[in-house]
Amino acid sequence: QVQLVESGGGVVQPGGSLRLSCAASGFTFSSYGMHWVRQAPGKGLEWVAFIRYDGSNKYYADSVKGRFTISRDNSKNTLYLQMNSLRAEDTAVYYCAKDQRGYIPVWGQGTLVTVSS
Amino acid sequence: AIRMTQSPSSLSASTGDRVTITCRASQGISSYLAWYQQKPGKAPKLLIYAASTLQSGVPSRFSGSGSGTDFTLTISCLQSEDFATYYCQQYYSYPQGTFGQGTKLEIK
Repeated sequence: QVQLVESGGGVVQPGGSLRLSCAASGFTFSSYGMHWVRQAPGKGLEWVAFIRYDGSNKYYADSVKGRFTISRDNSKNTLYLQMNSLRAEDTAVYYCAKDQRGYIPVWGQGTLVTVSS
Repeated sequence: AIRMTQSPSSLSASTGDRVTITCRASQGISSYLAWYQQKPGKAPKLLIYAASTLQSGVPSRFSGSGSGTDFTLTISCLQSEDFATYYCQQYYSYPQGTFGQGTKLEIK
């Protein structure tokens, strides 16, 4: 079945870096755009970034622009999020999500990123 | 940026009740609206897209309506498993999407 599995979360100090991965299976990964969406503890959902099916275009929320980079390796069916210059306000569960022309029918289970000294 | 405002922020209801949650966009978004259900510690689940199209496998007691700036999610006969938090999402500004702040549906 269609599955997304995130990994790479953990505790990092402010100003540090972390790379999240999302392994996709059960569908033709190279045919779909992909999103990252995050959720701070006890808060709502925030769209973070999107990459087109072939990696040709990338889009970011203003809150992460210039600090985060979304990428993909279609040969490995894997989505990435490189997060640099992390701040306390980046603390959240990060979900990778399969795009369906804007709405999201498939979500991963999420990986927790905690930015703290 | 398009802002999405849900009301109410929280709602208490009983099993068997009919409930309605409202979502308002700061500008017209046609029918580019989705609804999600989220339970504690779990990922969101897609319920409705294109404002009123039920996602496969979602019970028919869920329905959506609206276009332009005003949208509603209705649950016709609440079941115990429906107590959760609900989010709307606009995708008019695709690929950037914006979520509402959420509506927590609690047992009365």
